[in-house]
Order: sequence, then C-alpha cells, then structure tokens
Amino acid sequence: GAGVSQSPSNKVTEKGKDVELRCDPISGHTALYWYRQSLGQGLEFLIYFQGNSAPDKSGLPSDRFSAERTGGSVSTLTIQRTQQEDSAVYLCASSETGGGYGYTFGSGTRLTVV
Amino acid sequence: TQLLEQSPQFLSIQEGENLTVYCNSSSVFSSLQWYRQEPGEGPVLLVTVVTGGEVKKLKRLTFQFGDARKDSSLHITAAQPGDTGLYLCAGKASGGSNYKLTFGKGTLLTVNP
Repeated sequence: GAGVSQSPSNKVTEKGKDVELRCDPISGHTALYWYRQSLGQGLEFLIYFQGNSAPDKSGLPSDRFSAERTGGSVSTLTIQRTQQEDSAVYLCASSETGGGYGYTFGSGTRLTVV
Repeated sequence: TQLLEQSPQFLSIQEGENLTVYCNSSSVFSSLQWYRQEPGEGPVLLVTVVTGGEVKKLKRLTFQFGDARKDSSLHITAAQPGDTGLYLCAGKASGGSNYKLTFGKGTLLTVNP
C-alpha cells in the first residue's frame, strides 16, 4: 500500500481482556517496528522485525505482550490480560532496511483499558 | 541507555515569530532525525542529519547537527499555524543498534493566528 496501515484506529477494552493490533507495512519494506507512545513519555521501543531474522523483542514490557509477522508482511501485536497501564497509542513503522535513516509510521491504534 | 532531552517542552507563539527548539544528549549519535506529529497521526519524518556540523534547510525550517554529534536544533522562521504539532528528535546511537532509534519526549508547538 501507499503507507503504513494500522487497525483498529481506536480500541476500548475491559481490564483483563486480550487485544490484537494489526499493522500492514509499506510493500517491500523489510523492517517493521512497534513503538508505544504514552502521554508525556515519548516513544518507547517494543519490538523489531527484519526479514526472516529473529525479532528483537527486548522492548516488550512483560510476557503479556507478544508480536508476530507473517510472511514478512503484516504484523500483529497481542496484549493478553490487559491492564490500565497498557493504555497508550501503539505505533507501527516500517523501513526499507535497518531504518537508521528514518521510519514511515502508521497513524497508530489508541488503546484504552477501562 | 542513550537519552535525548528536548527543550522547551511546550512553546506557544504568534504567527510570524521565529523559534528554535533543541535536542541534547550526552551520547554521540551517528544520525539524528526530526519528526513532526499532528493529533491522531503518526510522526512524519522531516529530515535526517548524519555529519557533525551539518545544516539542512526545508523551506522555513533549518536543522543543525552539532559538531560533536550530541545535539541538534530546529529553527523555524516566520512560523505559521500549519507548523503546529509535536516535534520529535530521534537518534541512532553511535556504536549501538543499527536500527533502534531513541526518541526524545518532544516539543509541543502551538502557532496562534
């Protein structure tokens, strides 16, 4: 596609429920990233996928968070047993290579846990 | 952990004024980027600087990378309401991960008509 597409754009869920967030990167971009943006906290790195290499999961805050990327394209970020502190905007980005020279971000998914 | 400190955190000015926002670190970065983010949208890349002392211009925006590659500034001339947004700097640490960017917390700029 022309840009990075994320869905849903907004998600309200009850505490304890599982949620899935989807990212469709720019076609041909081998690198895909998930970041979390909380009010006043800046962007926090979550996970990085590059081609067929093992993902860098070092930013995932707990084992309730997981992500996969199928066929080197679409990625899904799953949060199990959501907590109120998980409320944030989840941003996906992609780049042609390692991204050291810039990402293209999606519009994000605003997650609210009530 | 490489930190990027942005200042000021908030800035409200009148249309036509000039402004400068700053991005500082104690670490050396091999490249540094500036993004602008509008409400409900993801950050959009404005510029990447890679050489110490480098200056890049994008219409009314001037970006500078410090000689030691530890800091950067963004200067806007004759600000317009369309410049309103959250300005984020992000850097790739020298000797660090080849792909992971460290982001500052941003400067929220409001340009009043």
